[in-house]
Amino acid sequence: QVQLVQSGAEVKKPGASVKVSCKASGYTFTGYYMHWVRQAPGQGLEWMGWINPHSGITDYAQKFQGRGTMTRDTSISTVYMELRNLISDDTAVYYCARTGLRDGYNPEYFLHWGQGTLVTVSS
Amino acid sequence: DIQMTQSPSSLSASVGDRVTITCRASHSISTYLNWYQQKPGKAPKLLIYATSSFQSGVPSRFSGSGSGTDFTLTISSLQPEDFATYYCQQSYSTPRTFGQGTKVDIK
Repeated sequence: QVQLVQSGAEVKKPGASVKVSCKASGYTFTGYYMHWVRQAPGQGLEWMGWINPHSGITDYAQKFQGRGTMTRDTSISTVYMELRNLISDDTAVYYCARTGLRDGYNPEYFLHWGQGTLVTVSS
Repeated sequence: DIQMTQSPSSLSASVGDRVTITCRASHSISTYLNWYQQKPGKAPKLLIYATSSFQSGVPSRFSGSGSGTDFTLTISSLQPEDFATYYCQQSYSTPRTFGQGTKVDIK
């Protein structure tokens, strides 16, 4: 069965960087886009961007362009989301979410989710 | 960016009630609208994709409809396990955007 297992909680100081991992199993890693979604405490869901694990091509929400980077390591079926220059508003649970259809085909929807990684930014 | 507005933001209902949640997009998104259910401390769970297609394993009491800018999620007979927060999400354009959520709690 499909599993997405994320790295553990992180505590960072303002201005630091964080890199969250999402290890996939149970399917062909390079066949499905992976998205990242975050959720601040008590708030709604915010989409950050996606990565095509086959090509490495990415697309980001404008808010995260220049500060966020999504990468992948196909040898270990893992995608990463790095966020730099952290501020307190970046405190959130970060989720990786795999699409339902292969190769970016429509309709796009987030079928499988990681368990979430809490990133706390505090001085 | 396409703004997604859900209503109501919260509602109280009883087991067995029929519940309807509305989602409005600021621009037409055709039928590229998904619904998720989220319980406290858990990742969201896909309920319905492409407006009205059921995800495998989702009870048939959940249904979706709409097109263009106006969409609805209906729970035909609310069950105890349905008390949660529900989000709509458009996959028509970048950035993907979510509604602010509708919290369904026990009356």
